[in-house]
Amino acid sequence: DAGVIQSPRHEVTEMGQEVTLRCKPISGHDYLFWYRQTMMRGLELLIYFNNNVPIDDSGMPEDRFSAKMPNASFSTLKIQPSEPRDSAVYFCASSSSDKNTEAFFGQGTRLTVV
Amino acid sequence: QKEVEQNSGPLSVPEGAIASLNCTYSDRGSQSFFWYRQYSGKSPELIMFIYSNGDKEDGRFTAQLNKASQYVSLLIRDSQPSDSATYLCAVNEGTNAGKSTFGDGTTLTVKP
Repeated sequence: DAGVIQSPRHEVTEMGQEVTLRCKPISGHDYLFWYRQTMMRGLELLIYFNNNVPIDDSGMPEDRFSAKMPNASFSTLKIQPSEPRDSAVYFCASSSSDKNTEAFFGQGTRLTVV
Repeated sequence: QKEVEQNSGPLSVPEGAIASLNCTYSDRGSQSFFWYRQYSGKSPELIMFIYSNGDKEDGRFTAQLNKASQYVSLLIRDSQPSDSATYLCAVNEGTNAGKSTFGDGTTLTVKP
């Protein structure tokens, strides 16, 4: 398996624009997690899904952030409108309930909002 | 106070030495504990997890857990320059590795 795949790897956008980050989890994994990593706040869990259903979105910072998982092989994290303070590395991770002691991270999307 | 605290470092050890990384957590209900390694510009990768008090060994790595003291540590024996990275401690109220609260990490440098 190719692992968790995220796109794009880098995104530079202007303040106020909509940004969409994409994630393809490992095939067969039923959990998907979105994290954000910054120097100030470290690695934070934003939201996670189980069997495509959002379970806990308490980490989503504001209403400008939304996430969807229309099927088992695809998820998006959308920021609308984006702000400079959203600049961070966004990671997607997936795991299987059969072996949930391991979560596999994608390579991340480095977002810069100018 | 953060829920998961780690010394930010940097921690520098000579090659071949033992590196000791420490982590404390505030939630007494925490059940599982994970150590991740993150190379600069890369994603975190799981090294070890531990659930029970005591030691757990895997190769050159030993995780130690003391729930009474709310303390978990990672020892790296025979440290190698390739171990130079940031080590993240993650704490979980359940067992699902993805639903974790992470510390800010300790940066380790192993000098040849």
